[in-house]
Amino acid sequence: GQNIDQPTEMTATEGAIVQINCTYQTSGFNGLFWYQQHAGEAPTFLSYNVLDGLEEKGRFSSFLSRSKGYSYLLLKELQMKDSASYLCAVFKAAGNKLTFGGGTRVLVKP
Amino acid sequence: EPEVTQTPSHQVTQMGQEVILRCVPISNHLYFYWYRQILGQKVEFLVSFYNNEISEKSEIFDDQFSVERPDGSNFTLKIRSTKLEDSAMYFCASSEGGRGSYEQYFGPGTRLTVT
Repeated sequence: GQNIDQPTEMTATEGAIVQINCTYQTSGFNGLFWYQQHAGEAPTFLSYNVLDGLEEKGRFSSFLSRSKGYSYLLLKELQMKDSASYLCAVFKAAGNKLTFGGGTRVLVKP
Repeated sequence: EPEVTQTPSHQVTQMGQEVILRCVPISNHLYFYWYRQILGQKVEFLVSFYNNEISEKSEIFDDQFSVERPDGSNFTLKIRSTKLEDSAMYFCASSEGGRGSYEQYFGPGTRLTVT
C-alpha cells in the first residue's frame, strides 16, 4: 500500500525558516518530489531527490533518507508569496507514477 | 518557457454526459499523465501514457475513462458517462522521460463540474 504523511498546516513569519517533513511507506520507490501549489492553481515542480542527502536550490532545499522513509523541504528567508501548499510525492519509475501526500499548507505572516 | 496547456479551463456538464478534456503537452516530452484533485483533497494519479499506450492506470481509471493522442500534439481524457463524484480539477502533466528527466510539469487544469 501507499502511505505518505505530512503535517496539514504550518505557520511561520516572513524572513524565517520552515521545515516541512514527509514520511512515506510505499511499495516501490524511485525518488521523492516536492511541489508547490497555490490555491486554485496547478502544482509546480520544486525539487527531486533520488539519492540520500541534501539538494539545495536557492532558498529551497530538500533532504532524503531512503532507509528512514523520510524527506523534508526547507524554505529559507520566507516571503509572503511562499504562502501555499507544499506537496510531497513518491515517484515510482514503473509507470512513471507520482503518489502525492495530502499537502502541507504554509501560511507566512508579516 | 514551454508549458503544458489545457482546454477548457472550466467545463460544466450534466450527469450522464460525455466530456473530453484536452491537453497539449510540452513538445519534446514523451510521457503524458492525467491527475485529478477533488476540492480540498490530495492530487490523485489517474493514468500515464507513453509510446501511444497506457503505461499505468489507477483504480479510479475505470471503463468510463479513456485517453488518446489523436495527433502529434494533443492528449485527451474522455469520461464517457459523468457522475457527480467526477467533479474535480483535472490536471494534465508531461515529462521528458529518460534517466534524470523525471520531472513532471503540470498544466493549469480543467475544473469539471457535474450537475
